[in-house]
Amino acid sequence: QVQLQESGPGLVKPSQTLSLTCAVSGASISRGSNYWSWIRQPAGKGLEWIGRIYTTGSSDYNPPLKSRVSISADTSKNQFTLKLNSVTAADTAVYYCAREASEASYGMDVWGQGTTVTVSS
Amino acid sequence: QSVLTQPPSVSAAPGQKVTISCSGSSSNIGNNYVSWYLQLPGTAPKLLIYDNNKRPSGIPDRFSGSKSGTSATLGITGLQTGDEANYYCGTWDASLNAKVFGGGTKLTVL
Repeated sequence: QVQLQESGPGLVKPSQTLSLTCAVSGASISRGSNYWSWIRQPAGKGLEWIGRIYTTGSSDYNPPLKSRVSISADTSKNQFTLKLNSVTAADTAVYYCAREASEASYGMDVWGQGTTVTVSS
Repeated sequence: QSVLTQPPSVSAAPGQKVTISCSGSSSNIGNNYVSWYLQLPGTAPKLLIYDNNKRPSGIPDRFSGSKSGTSATLGITGLQTGDEANYYCGTWDASLNAKVFGGGTKLTVL
């Protein structure tokens, strides 16, 4: 059974870098044809895809965030990390990690429980 | 402003059927598979439909999906109060080179 678990600071100061990690169990992030993604959701609003990393290490990012985002993988720990720099209050949201499964034509079939990040001084 | 357009809300009585639409363009729905997600309050989204009309194991056949041109539709029959949730469509957009979602539809079972 594949499980994802987000971790990281719940409070980040404006202009600083938000860093979150997604620990994966039950599947290897370096094998197969899956993507490993980050999605966020401001309170009371819809889902926004942030970006993803492939098993080869290549990544895609949402254009509005591309200049501030990086996603990397640590295959030895089977986890992947989101970094979002120069944050503002608009980056306050629940952040989810998810698997985009090749068997589901890259539908997001497994999600973490989400972690709330607040940007405030 | 979401790339994919969904109605903000739909409602129906228990036992009835409801459909939720998702409208896009040729760069997204028109040439890519659509997925649907259910999100109960305070929880992570859950995959309901992938490949336009396939259900992951464990999803009852009360849920169905279809696609025609640049629009997709989620259907739910035999509505239950437990179906009250927000529903999102999603797909890949080849012009943006990004995953896109609809704005979400809140289902109320009256």
